Order: sequence, then C-alpha cells, then structure tokens
Amino acid sequence: GQQLNQSPQSMFIQEGEDVSMNCTSSSIFNTWLWYKQDPGEGPVLLIALYKAGELTSNGRLTAQFGITRKDSFLNISASIPSDVGIYFCAGLTSGTYKYIFGTGTRLKVLA
Amino acid sequence: DTEVTQTPKHLVMGMTNKKSLKCEQHMGHRAMYWYKQKAKKPPELMFVYSYEKLSINESVPSRFSPECPNSSLLNLHLHALQPEDSALYLCASSGAGINNSPLHFGNGTRLTVT
Repeated sequence: GQQLNQSPQSMFIQEGEDVSMNCTSSSIFNTWLWYKQDPGEGPVLLIALYKAGELTSNGRLTAQFGITRKDSFLNISASIPSDVGIYFCAGLTSGTYKYIFGTGTRLKVLA
Repeated sequence: DTEVTQTPKHLVMGMTNKKSLKCEQHMGHRAMYWYKQKAKKPPELMFVYSYEKLSINESVPSRFSPECPNSSLLNLHLHALQPEDSALYLCASSGAGINNSPLHFGNGTRLTVT
C-alpha cells in the first residue's frame, strides 16, 4: 500500500541530545499523527495535528504540521534511554478512514 | 495501559486450523480497524468498520474474515492461513467523525502460522 517517506530511517544518538525526524508526502493531508512503537507492543499515540502550521508539544516532544500540508516534523529534546523505539508518522485525508503510515524511524539512544 | 484490548497476545496455528482474533474497545469509538504488521515495517490496513458496517476491505484474501458484532467488538476469523501470514495483527479504533479522531491501537496478537 501507499507509504509516506520518513527520514531518517534510523539514528543513533547520545543521551541528552535532541532528535529530529520528518515525514513527507506527495498528497495533502488534513491530519498528521505521530506514534512510538516498542518491541512486541502496539503503536502509542504521541501527538495529533489538525491544522497547517500547528505546533504541538507533549512533554519533551514537539511536532509540527507543515504549511504545505504535505509534511510533518517531530522533535525530541534531551533524549533519554527510554526514547528508544520506532517512531511512525501517519497522515489522513479528510473524508476517509485510510491512515497512511510512514516507513518509520528507528531510534537508538546511547547512554 | 491501552484502552483497546486484544486477545490472545500470541497465537500459533497450523495451516488447516480455524482460529479467531478478538478486539474490544470501550472508548465509544464507532470506527474499528484491523492492521497487519510485519517486522520492521509500518502497519498495513486490512479492514475498516464504521458504525458496525464494513467500510474498507484492502483486497484482503478471503482466508481472513472480519466481523463486527457490536460497536465495541471486532473479530478476525482465520482459516487456511499460509506461513507468510505470520505477523503482528493490530486492532485500532477511532471516532467515526473523521477529523479530530486519531487511531488508538491495541497491543496486537503475534500470529505464527506453521
């Protein structure tokens, strides 16, 4: 099925560093979601975005809905070991139930 | 703890078996989803139910048969599966009003077909 381009694919960072990842699409979305998935578990919703230009924070996480509505960004500040996992973006076109998922960013934090 | 509950957590079945995956949510959501996820890949949509009616079938083989008995329950009946069907099967729910209704996932059923 259709997927969003998510980058980077994986990253190793030192504890305490900031992390940035993004998703881009050729289609316009009305909703952007960001999830974190730990091994053996389902994706957990981190942040939901509903308006172009919207900037939303959840603790050390901040996400933005791109102005063009074709991209979204997630930043993690002062990373800690429990930030390890796979981060997925998902986009939704209004009037459908078909959330399109990004290819995922695998984050590893070095203590 | 997740508000979408899936059972069983793990399932091993032979290619001639019939089994069912179950999902329950009590968030008042009227849209429920089945996703399939292979290792290191994003979830892939299989089915969507909206107001207990099948809304989307992503050309899923008939050996997978979904059922939505009521607004809180979603089942996936499995029959004559193939080893390549081994994966994590995720249930999710959302508000049926499309906007302002993010997906909430369960923890999945890890299915192994032998």
